[in-house]
Amino acid sequence: KQEVTQIPAALSVPEGENLVLNCSFTDSAIYNLQWFRQDPGKGLTSLLLIQSSQREQTSGRLNASLDKSSGRSTLYIAASQPGDSATYLCAVASGGSYIPTFGRGTSLIVHP
Amino acid sequence: EPEVTQTPSHQVTQMGQEVILRCVPISNHLYFYWYRQILGQKVEFLVSFYNNEISEKSEIFDDQFSVERPDGSNFTLKIRSTKLEDSAMYFCASSLHRTSGSYNEQFFGPGTRLTVL
Repeated sequence: KQEVTQIPAALSVPEGENLVLNCSFTDSAIYNLQWFRQDPGKGLTSLLLIQSSQREQTSGRLNASLDKSSGRSTLYIAASQPGDSATYLCAVASGGSYIPTFGRGTSLIVHP
Repeated sequence: EPEVTQTPSHQVTQMGQEVILRCVPISNHLYFYWYRQILGQKVEFLVSFYNNEISEKSEIFDDQFSVERPDGSNFTLKIRSTKLEDSAMYFCASSLHRTSGSYNEQFFGPGTRLTVL
């Protein structure tokens, strides 16, 4: 059964810092990995989707990498802004099912 | 930009009552999903739906739950007799495809917060 772990659970940084959020998974036979953003009491916004054949995806200030062999993905946020404050979720689809297994998320606060 | 919509945003009900949560997936998508998130916990998969039938369901999705696509646009989740532990945020999602390629990216709605008293 796939287990997804996200470290750190919470992060508070000053504006302008470059950040790395980590996601690890136990079953490396994945189909894809998706990073989401969740604002308090709100839905999930898809940020980046990495297929198993890809090593990274980029969107604006966001870059996500995937290393299947080590069971890891990182989400890199460049030049963080207060508007980036949210919970970031990692979700991995694997094991004969395309249904994603979610991590608990990293709660990010970027203060001015 | 197309988006998944859900109604109501917040539903309060008494234990034992039936509730129906509604979703309008993105119009050209073929696969539909329900997830729930109990406060402070992980997002959990409930059920997926394709071609007017359930394609996968989790162990959470027991006989108290049912899904339906009553017309060409709506996708509903019914809980027949709500329990206190059903209190959670329920998310609907849709994707164009299920398997390979970028078309399996899932797009989520804003959620319905269900409170069972």
